[in-house]
Amino acid sequence: NAGVTQTPKFQVLKTGQSMTLQCAQDMNHNSMYWYRQDPGMGLRLIYYSASEGTTDKGEVPNGYNVSRLNKREFSLRLESAAPSQTSVYFCASSEQIRGLSSTDTQYFGPGTRLTVL
Amino acid sequence: SQELEQSPQSLIVQEGKNLTINCTSSKTLYGLYWYKQKYGEGLIFLMMLQKGGEEKSHEKITAKLDEKKQQSSLHITASQPSHAGIYLCGAVPYSGGGADGLTFGKGTHLIIQP
Repeated sequence: NAGVTQTPKFQVLKTGQSMTLQCAQDMNHNSMYWYRQDPGMGLRLIYYSASEGTTDKGEVPNGYNVSRLNKREFSLRLESAAPSQTSVYFCASSEQIRGLSSTDTQYFGPGTRLTVL
Repeated sequence: SQELEQSPQSLIVQEGKNLTINCTSSKTLYGLYWYKQKYGEGLIFLMMLQKGGEEKSHEKITAKLDEKKQQSSLHITASQPSHAGIYLCGAVPYSGGGADGLTFGKGTHLIIQP
């Protein structure tokens, strides 16, 4: 099993350009997430999808859109990139079903390092 | 909203020494995860704690959740170079909220000196 895969690994954009970060998981997980990691800020949740067909905003959603294409894939789109979006982006997935008190492990992809000039 | 405070922010330890990293929450912890991140790489799951007073161990790493479920500690015994990296704690935002993403602390940078 590949686990959680992300493409691309590295990307450089100019201000105003658009791009889509791709994420796929092969663990048949229900929930998928997008986080960004910035120096001194830890990981912050951008958007998440608690089940196929649903998406919700996290802590820092402005400037981003997401699509849960199917159970396996969850993409993150930057419509008009800004230097403030320079970051490392992580996708994660878990078996977790919304509302259940049990907690399942979130598995993370290797990350996409994005620089916006 | 929930905030997680990790301490220390960075730690330099001589190889073979023990160390402890703390994670303190502003609210009750309904699920607390510990991850390790090597520089430039993704997050590796270490342990998850859910019950007050719970303790789990894996190899030389032990994680505990206090009885009040507001603080967790990660203890490494006889540290090795392979333990170097960034340690992150992440928390479930509310009971039943495991599908809604995690709130993370800012991380503890651990350096092991030979």
